[in-house]
Amino acid sequence: ETGVTQTPRHLVMGMTNKKSLKCEQHLGHNAMYWYKQSAKKPLELMFVYSLEERVENNSVPSRFSPECPNSSHLFLHLHTLQPEDSALYLCASSQDGTGVTDTQYFGPGTRLTVL
Amino acid sequence: DQQVKQNSPSLSVQEGRISILNCDYTNSMFDYFLWYKKYPAEGPTFLISISSIKDKNEDGRFTVFLNKSAKHLSLHIVPSQPGDSAVYFCAAKALYNTDKLIFGTGTRLQVFP
Repeated sequence: ETGVTQTPRHLVMGMTNKKSLKCEQHLGHNAMYWYKQSAKKPLELMFVYSLEERVENNSVPSRFSPECPNSSHLFLHLHTLQPEDSALYLCASSQDGTGVTDTQYFGPGTRLTVL
Repeated sequence: DQQVKQNSPSLSVQEGRISILNCDYTNSMFDYFLWYKKYPAEGPTFLISISSIKDKNEDGRFTVFLNKSAKHLSLHIVPSQPGDSAVYFCAAKALYNTDKLIFGTGTRLQVFP
């Protein structure tokens, strides 16, 4: 595997379910990100991890819970979501999250539908 | 309040011609600008970037122009090819917040034969 991978690619869940999204990067990067893309809206940054420590939480509701066990893996745990949380969830990684030229590389995304 | 704006949701260009995608921003503290390309069912792919100290950066068929006084950047694709058909996102970041990329809403480019 190369680049940034995400599983599952598609997920349908009820509002009472608990599920997790997984992201893995094979680029040797130290920073990882979760983004949300809703229809007709720009990508919104949710969380940033640098060296496995959360450095940014962009006012995300607590029903979204990130976890970064090591610099290659990032999870987004989901529980009691709302239908308006249906969106494309994208993971990205970058070298270290510092420096203005630090470029982010994205995974293919998980298309989440909340019923 | 959107800090990065792509006012054209779509653009259609004939193969071989130039494609010009535009992006405007409001935050004068932005120092670095990027363009990403996104195909359906894939994540955004980094295409080209430009620092605020430059006004042009070129990479093969892709050139990005930056006009800081107008807070405007554009991506030129010459010549356009059918494989360039995708959604193009403009993004920006500031020196004081380097892990935060601010994205525009995207422009869907269609290159027809």
